[in-house]
Amino acid sequence: GAVVSQHPSRVICKSGTSVKIECRSLDFQATTMFWYRQFPKKSLMLMATSNEGSKATYEQGVEKDKFLINHASLTLSTLTVTSAHPEDSSFYICSARWGLVAYNEQFFGPGTRLTVL
Amino acid sequence: AQSVSQHNHHVILSEAASLELGCNYSYGGTVNLFWYVQYPGQHLQLLLKYFSGDPLVKGIKGFEAEFIKSKFSFNLRKPSVQWSDTAEYFCAVTPRAAGNKLTFGGGTRVLVKP
Repeated sequence: GAVVSQHPSRVICKSGTSVKIECRSLDFQATTMFWYRQFPKKSLMLMATSNEGSKATYEQGVEKDKFLINHASLTLSTLTVTSAHPEDSSFYICSARWGLVAYNEQFFGPGTRLTVL
Repeated sequence: AQSVSQHNHHVILSEAASLELGCNYSYGGTVNLFWYVQYPGQHLQLLLKYFSGDPLVKGIKGFEAEFIKSKFSFNLRKPSVQWSDTAEYFCAVTPRAAGNKLTFGGGTRVLVKP
């Protein structure tokens, strides 16, 4: 299957700083990328959907000014957590899909564990 | 908005036992259904999906799932599990009209004892 990578795998930062997480599709062009958040012992919650070259569409309750998403190329999307606070500590997972149709499989990255002190 | 519930949070069984994981969703329209697996330390992988046609779907690694529309269910089954099936399993749904958005169930942790 297709490979999606995330960098970094773990990051620890101080409260008030910003953190950027990269999501890359390594062997295919990702028309659409998704960002999820996973709380401990809970399921994945979709945060936003981004199509290459367009602004991201955020789910209800997700602050777009806090979680900045950029999808400038067909192989890279970034999630920047701005002015991070301890409550932003979580496991962030991206997925990527070729094309716009739901039939195409989403391929998931390995996730990034963010800890805000 | 749609929701997905997985009845069992934890399942422990022995090798060669049969496995069935329940998944129910709430959504009035047509949906696409998925089961994902997350092995320890690895990323989510697609086990199988249902879009249309035969409601009994066969996936990888001997897994299958049956879509029962009247029950809003999409249960996952495997007749004989192996130790390597130890993982967390997630059911997910997307309304066909919405296309993009996967809604995940809470996940079921399966431990297969050797």
